[in-house]
Amino acid sequence: DIQMTQSPSTLSASVGDRVTITCRASQRISSWLAWYQQKPGKAPKLLIYKASSLENGVPSRFSGSGSGTEFTLTISNLQPDDVATYFCHQYNSYSPWTFGQGTKVEIK
Amino acid sequence: EVQLVQSGAEVKKAGESLWISCKGSGLSFSNSWINWVRQMPGKGLEWMGKIDPSDSYTNYSPSFQGHVSISFDKSIGSVYLHWSSLQASDTGMYYCATSIDGHNSWGQGTPVTVSS
Repeated sequence: DIQMTQSPSTLSASVGDRVTITCRASQRISSWLAWYQQKPGKAPKLLIYKASSLENGVPSRFSGSGSGTEFTLTISNLQPDDVATYFCHQYNSYSPWTFGQGTKVEIK
Repeated sequence: EVQLVQSGAEVKKAGESLWISCKGSGLSFSNSWINWVRQMPGKGLEWMGKIDPSDSYTNYSPSFQGHVSISFDKSIGSVYLHWSSLQASDTGMYYCATSIDGHNSWGQGTPVTVSS
């Protein structure tokens, strides 16, 4: 199975900061990578799909980049509503889905 | 728009059986695998398995193989996750999800609580 290594596990930043979360795949997955935001008691909310496509209705301060094995989620201008856990998800059709361990984002 | 709507919360005892469902709309079941994902309390996401509704072919994670089964009822367009004998360690949130043309859609989740 493809392993997804996500970092950091926790992140504390100030309102207005630019923050970056990274996911590394153990094998090349082209652009089959999604990013989700999850708040307590809620289902994962899709933010980015196909590595860099912004889901409808998601604020433009969220962006994704990368391909192959290295991927990044960037939140520019961090807002209090962005406090959540973020997961990456590889969905290469030739292997089982796997997920990053999650990054908990907090406000300083 | 693809929508996956899951059945409601379940509270069961260890040893009991359970079916939970995921009803799809806005998608063609001929080209959309449906996956099940578990999230245990306070933990990350684990892929359990998937089904191809076009022929009911299934593929399971080794971690779940033999403990759950996934099926599809074409007449009502629903995918099911079934346990024949629940364990307390099955307590968690269960999500169905699919990916169509690279865009992922998830159900709202079904919380399952199993007491020993």
